[in-house]
Amino acid sequence: GAVVSQHPSRVICKSGTSVKIECRSLDFQATTMFWYRQFPKQSLMLMATSNEGSKATYEQGVEKDKFLINHASLTLSTLTVTSAHPEDSSFYICSARDRASGGYEQYFGPGTRLTVT
Amino acid sequence: AQTVTQSQPEMSVQEAETVTLSCTYDTSESNYYLFWYKQPPSRQMILVIRQEAYKQQNATENRFSVNFQKAAKSFSLKISDSQLGDTAMYFCAYNVPGSEKLVFGKGTKLTVNP
Repeated sequence: GAVVSQHPSRVICKSGTSVKIECRSLDFQATTMFWYRQFPKQSLMLMATSNEGSKATYEQGVEKDKFLINHASLTLSTLTVTSAHPEDSSFYICSARDRASGGYEQYFGPGTRLTVT
Repeated sequence: AQTVTQSQPEMSVQEAETVTLSCTYDTSESNYYLFWYKQPPSRQMILVIRQEAYKQQNATENRFSVNFQKAAKSFSLKISDSQLGDTAMYFCAYNVPGSEKLVFGKGTKLTVNP
């Protein structure tokens, strides 16, 4: 149980284009999802908290107009990197909390490696 | 602000031996959750074990156990009978009470040698 999928696993795009990453909870309803960014050999950096049916809450220093988050259903959240630049190249990971379980652990997707050329 | 500190950037252990990874955290709260996550080379984050602060008993999951010292704000992970598949980055994480966020430590890279 508590499986989170993420698509695509890898994406290469040209500078100036937009890229959408999907995060799905497969066997539970996730009222809250999280988006992280991870640089090589570093820890996870929380970018934003996504709540179903409401606007995402962004961490300080994260550009909300660049990283658009939509959480339209209880099983799907999307992250769109708009007007991507090479410095946006990174590993993006989503996670979800199974609120029905009562715990605060997050279950993670397998991540998306974004390369902007 | 809550912080999580993992003081061992890298560790290594021989297969079948026991290793302990350290984690300390800073909080003024009394009720909270702590977690250890594993990130193997595939980069898939996997929940290893969790501990609820109000429970005095240390959590155990098969070969993985924790030593939770609430007064010392310490939460170490012991891996017994280490296996090659345990090679991974291990992250300690703290749940911020009143929110659903996790604060992660910088991680410890564990290598299990044959």
